[in-house]
Amino acid sequence: GQQVMQIPQYQHVQEGEDFTTYCNSSTTLSNIQWYKQRPGGHPVFLIQLVKSGEVKKQKRLTFQFGEAKKNSSLHITATQTTDVGTYFCAGLRYAGGTSYGKLTFGQGTILTVHP
Amino acid sequence: NAGVTQTPKFRVLKTGQSMTLLCAQDMNHEYMYWYRQDPGMGLRLIHYSVGEGTTAKGEVPDGYNVSRLKKQNFLLGLESAAPSQTSVYFCASSYSNTGYNEQFFGPGTRLTVL
Repeated sequence: GQQVMQIPQYQHVQEGEDFTTYCNSSTTLSNIQWYKQRPGGHPVFLIQLVKSGEVKKQKRLTFQFGEAKKNSSLHITATQTTDVGTYFCAGLRYAGGTSYGKLTFGQGTILTVHP
Repeated sequence: NAGVTQTPKFRVLKTGQSMTLLCAQDMNHEYMYWYRQDPGMGLRLIHYSVGEGTTAKGEVPDGYNVSRLKKQNFLLGLESAAPSQTSVYFCASSYSNTGYNEQFFGPGTRLTVL
Protein backbone atom coordinates (compact mmCIF):
# COMPACT_ATOMS: atom_id res chain seq x y z
CA GLY A 1 0.00 0.00 0.00
CA GLN A 2 0.87 3.62 -0.17
CA GLN A 3 3.46 4.76 2.31
CA VAL A 4 4.33 8.27 3.27
CA MET A 5 7.64 8.50 5.09
CA GLN A 6 8.56 11.57 7.06
CA ILE A 7 11.98 12.50 8.41
CA PRO A 8 13.38 13.29 10.82
CA GLN A 9 11.26 11.81 13.60
CA TYR A 10 12.64 14.34 16.10
CA GLN A 11 14.34 17.70 15.74
CA HIS A 12 15.71 19.82 18.55
CA VAL A 13 16.73 23.38 17.67
CA GLN A 14 17.74 26.54 19.43
CA GLU A 15 15.35 29.40 19.06
CA GLY A 16 16.29 31.33 15.93
CA GLU A 17 17.62 28.31 14.05
CA ASP A 18 15.94 26.99 10.94
CA PHE A 19 14.03 23.71 10.73
CA THR A 20 13.08 21.44 7.86
CA THR A 21 11.01 18.29 7.71
CA TYR A 22 10.77 16.07 4.64
CA CYS A 23 7.99 13.89 3.36
CA ASN A 24 8.48 11.13 0.78
CA SER A 25 5.90 8.94 -0.90
CA SER A 26 6.36 5.61 -2.63
CA THR A 27 3.72 6.62 -5.17
CA THR A 28 2.76 9.76 -7.03
CA LEU A 29 0.48 11.99 -5.04
CA SER A 30 -2.44 14.08 -6.21
CA ASN A 31 -1.86 16.56 -3.43
CA ILE A 32 -0.20 16.92 -0.08
CA GLN A 33 -1.45 18.57 3.06
CA TRP A 34 0.46 19.70 6.12
CA TYR A 35 -0.87 19.72 9.66
CA LYS A 36 0.50 20.95 12.97
CA GLN A 37 -0.28 19.38 16.32
CA ARG A 38 0.65 21.29 19.45
CA PRO A 39 1.63 19.19 22.50
CA GLY A 40 -1.53 17.72 23.99
CA GLY A 41 -3.61 19.08 21.12
CA HIS A 42 -5.12 17.89 17.90
CA PRO A 43 -3.87 18.21 14.30
CA VAL A 44 -4.70 21.51 12.66
CA PHE A 45 -4.56 22.06 8.92
CA LEU A 46 -1.80 24.37 7.71
CA ILE A 47 -1.77 24.22 3.92
CA GLN A 48 -2.35 22.14 0.81
CA LEU A 49 -0.12 21.79 -2.25
CA VAL A 50 -1.50 20.46 -5.51
CA LYS A 51 0.72 21.43 -8.43
CA SER A 52 4.04 19.91 -9.38
CA GLY A 53 6.88 22.11 -8.09
CA GLU A 54 4.50 24.30 -6.11
CA VAL A 55 5.92 26.54 -3.40
CA LYS A 56 3.77 28.31 -0.83
CA LYS A 57 4.73 30.55 2.05
CA GLN A 58 3.01 31.41 5.30
CA LYS A 59 5.10 33.99 7.13
CA ARG A 60 8.18 32.05 8.28
CA LEU A 61 6.93 28.72 6.88
CA THR A 62 7.77 27.60 3.33
CA PHE A 63 6.13 24.54 1.81
CA GLN A 64 7.33 22.81 -1.34
CA PHE A 65 5.90 20.03 -3.50
CA GLY A 66 8.39 18.12 -5.63
CA GLU A 67 8.39 18.12 -9.40
CA ALA A 68 7.53 14.42 -9.47
CA LYS A 69 4.82 14.92 -6.82
CA LYS A 70 6.39 12.27 -4.64
CA ASN A 71 8.00 14.45 -2.02
CA SER A 72 7.41 17.60 -0.06
CA SER A 73 9.11 19.70 2.55
CA LEU A 74 8.24 22.21 5.24
CA HIS A 75 10.89 24.75 6.18
CA ILE A 76 10.62 27.11 9.13
CA THR A 77 12.94 30.09 9.20
CA ALA A 78 14.17 31.42 12.54
CA THR A 79 12.14 29.14 14.78
CA GLN A 80 10.26 30.48 17.75
CA THR A 81 9.01 28.70 20.87
CA THR A 82 5.51 28.92 19.44
CA ASP A 83 6.60 26.57 16.63
CA VAL A 84 6.89 23.66 19.06
CA GLY A 85 4.77 20.66 18.09
CA THR A 86 4.47 17.76 15.69
CA TYR A 87 4.27 18.47 11.98
CA PHE A 88 2.51 15.93 9.78
CA CYS A 89 2.34 15.62 6.06
CA ALA A 90 -0.59 13.78 4.51
CA GLY A 91 -0.79 12.68 0.92
CA LEU A 92 -3.60 11.69 -1.38
CA ARG A 93 -2.71 8.85 -3.69
CA TYR A 94 -3.07 9.42 -7.41
CA ALA A 95 -3.85 6.44 -9.61
CA GLY A 96 -4.75 6.67 -13.28
CA GLY A 97 -6.89 9.76 -13.11
CA THR A 98 -8.76 8.86 -9.95
CA SER A 99 -8.07 9.77 -6.39
CA TYR A 100 -8.89 7.48 -3.55
CA GLY A 101 -9.88 10.28 -1.25
CA LYS A 102 -8.19 8.89 1.82
CA LEU A 103 -5.22 10.78 3.08
CA THR A 104 -2.18 8.82 4.23
CA PHE A 105 -0.35 10.54 7.04
CA GLY A 106 3.38 10.52 7.60
CA GLN A 107 4.72 9.58 11.01
CA GLY A 108 5.27 13.21 11.93
CA THR A 109 8.28 15.24 13.00
CA ILE A 110 8.38 16.36 16.62
CA LEU A 111 9.97 19.80 16.88
CA THR A 112 11.39 21.07 20.13
CA VAL A 113 12.63 24.65 20.34
CA HIS A 114 14.99 25.64 23.15
CA PRO A 115 14.78 29.30 24.17
CA ASN B 1 -19.81 26.61 16.08
CA ALA B 2 -18.24 23.89 18.21
CA GLY B 3 -16.59 22.23 15.21
CA VAL B 4 -15.76 18.60 15.99
CA THR B 5 -16.34 17.36 19.51
CA GLN B 6 -15.47 14.01 21.08
CA THR B 7 -16.64 12.27 24.21
CA PRO B 8 -15.21 11.11 26.48
CA LYS B 9 -11.85 12.87 26.74
CA PHE B 10 -10.25 10.12 28.81
CA ARG B 11 -11.17 6.53 29.58
CA VAL B 12 -9.56 3.57 31.28
CA LEU B 13 -10.85 0.10 30.43
CA LYS B 14 -10.02 -3.38 31.53
CA THR B 15 -9.21 -6.01 28.92
CA GLY B 16 -12.41 -7.42 27.50
CA GLN B 17 -14.63 -4.46 28.33
CA SER B 18 -16.52 -2.62 25.66
CA MET B 19 -17.08 1.07 25.03
CA THR B 20 -18.27 3.57 22.46
CA LEU B 21 -16.56 6.79 21.51
CA LEU B 22 -18.81 9.53 20.21
CA CYS B 23 -17.87 12.12 17.62
CA ALA B 24 -20.12 14.99 16.63
CA GLN B 25 -19.66 17.77 14.09
CA ASP B 26 -21.80 20.83 13.42
CA MET B 27 -20.30 21.83 10.07
CA ASN B 28 -22.66 19.74 7.95
CA HIS B 29 -19.73 17.75 6.62
CA GLU B 30 -20.47 14.64 4.61
CA TYR B 31 -17.29 12.79 5.47
CA MET B 32 -16.08 11.64 8.84
CA TYR B 33 -13.06 9.64 9.95
CA TRP B 34 -11.67 7.84 12.95
CA TYR B 35 -7.89 7.74 13.47
CA ARG B 36 -5.67 6.37 16.13
CA GLN B 37 -2.38 8.00 17.04
CA ASP B 38 0.48 6.03 18.52
CA PRO B 39 4.05 7.23 19.16
CA GLY B 40 6.13 7.05 16.00
CA MET B 41 3.21 5.80 13.92
CA GLY B 42 1.52 9.01 12.90
CA LEU B 43 -2.22 8.97 12.35
CA ARG B 44 -3.69 5.71 11.09
CA LEU B 45 -7.18 5.54 9.65
CA ILE B 46 -9.47 3.05 11.39
CA HIS B 47 -12.81 3.56 9.64
CA TYR B 48 -14.43 6.33 7.70
CA SER B 49 -17.84 7.33 6.44
CA VAL B 50 -18.82 9.03 3.21
CA GLY B 51 -22.32 9.86 4.36
CA GLU B 52 -25.16 9.01 6.67
CA GLY B 53 -25.69 5.28 6.84
CA THR B 54 -22.44 4.34 5.11
CA THR B 55 -19.11 3.25 6.56
CA ALA B 56 -15.91 1.74 5.21
CA LYS B 57 -12.74 0.18 6.56
CA GLY B 58 -9.51 2.09 6.77
CA GLU B 59 -5.95 0.95 7.36
CA VAL B 60 -6.39 -0.63 10.82
CA PRO B 61 -10.07 -1.66 11.26
CA ASP B 62 -9.68 -4.89 13.23
CA GLY B 63 -11.25 -4.82 16.68
CA TYR B 64 -13.37 -1.74 15.93
CA ASN B 65 -16.84 -1.12 14.60
CA VAL B 66 -18.50 2.12 13.58
CA SER B 67 -21.90 3.53 12.86
CA ARG B 68 -23.17 6.72 11.21
CA LEU B 69 -26.90 6.81 11.91
CA LYS B 70 -27.02 10.60 11.77
CA LYS B 71 -24.99 12.85 9.52
CA GLN B 72 -23.52 14.79 12.40
CA ASN B 73 -22.47 11.79 14.51
CA PHE B 74 -19.91 9.06 14.00
CA LEU B 75 -19.53 6.39 16.65
CA LEU B 76 -16.53 4.15 17.21
CA GLY B 77 -17.06 0.95 19.17
CA LEU B 78 -14.66 -1.42 20.84
CA GLU B 79 -16.45 -4.70 21.51
CA SER B 80 -13.73 -6.38 23.55
CA ALA B 81 -10.90 -4.01 24.40
CA ALA B 82 -7.29 -5.19 24.26
CA PRO B 83 -4.13 -3.52 25.60
CA SER B 84 -3.01 -3.00 21.97
CA GLN B 85 -5.91 -0.57 21.61
CA THR B 86 -4.38 1.81 24.12
CA SER B 87 -4.02 4.94 22.06
CA VAL B 88 -5.25 8.44 21.40
CA TYR B 89 -8.28 8.43 19.12
CA PHE B 90 -9.09 11.35 16.89
CA CYS B 91 -12.22 11.94 14.94
CA ALA B 92 -12.13 14.20 11.90
CA SER B 93 -14.55 15.51 9.32
CA SER B 94 -14.30 17.08 5.91
CA TYR B 95 -16.62 18.69 3.41
CA SER B 96 -15.90 16.07 0.77
CA ASN B 97 -13.92 12.93 0.32
CA THR B 98 -11.89 14.01 -2.67
CA GLY B 99 -8.94 14.58 -0.40
CA TYR B 100 -8.70 18.16 -1.59
CA ASN B 101 -10.51 19.46 1.44
CA GLU B 102 -8.91 19.94 4.81
CA GLN B 103 -9.87 17.69 7.64
CA PHE B 104 -11.07 19.18 10.90
CA PHE B 105 -10.04 17.19 13.94
CA GLY B 106 -11.69 16.79 17.31
CA PRO B 107 -9.76 17.18 20.58
CA GLY B 108 -9.13 13.45 20.92
CA THR B 109 -9.92 10.67 23.38
CA ARG B 110 -7.10 9.16 25.36
CA LEU B 111 -7.89 5.50 25.98
CA THR B 112 -5.93 3.16 28.23
CA VAL B 113 -6.68 -0.56 28.27
CA LEU B 114 -5.27 -2.43 31.25
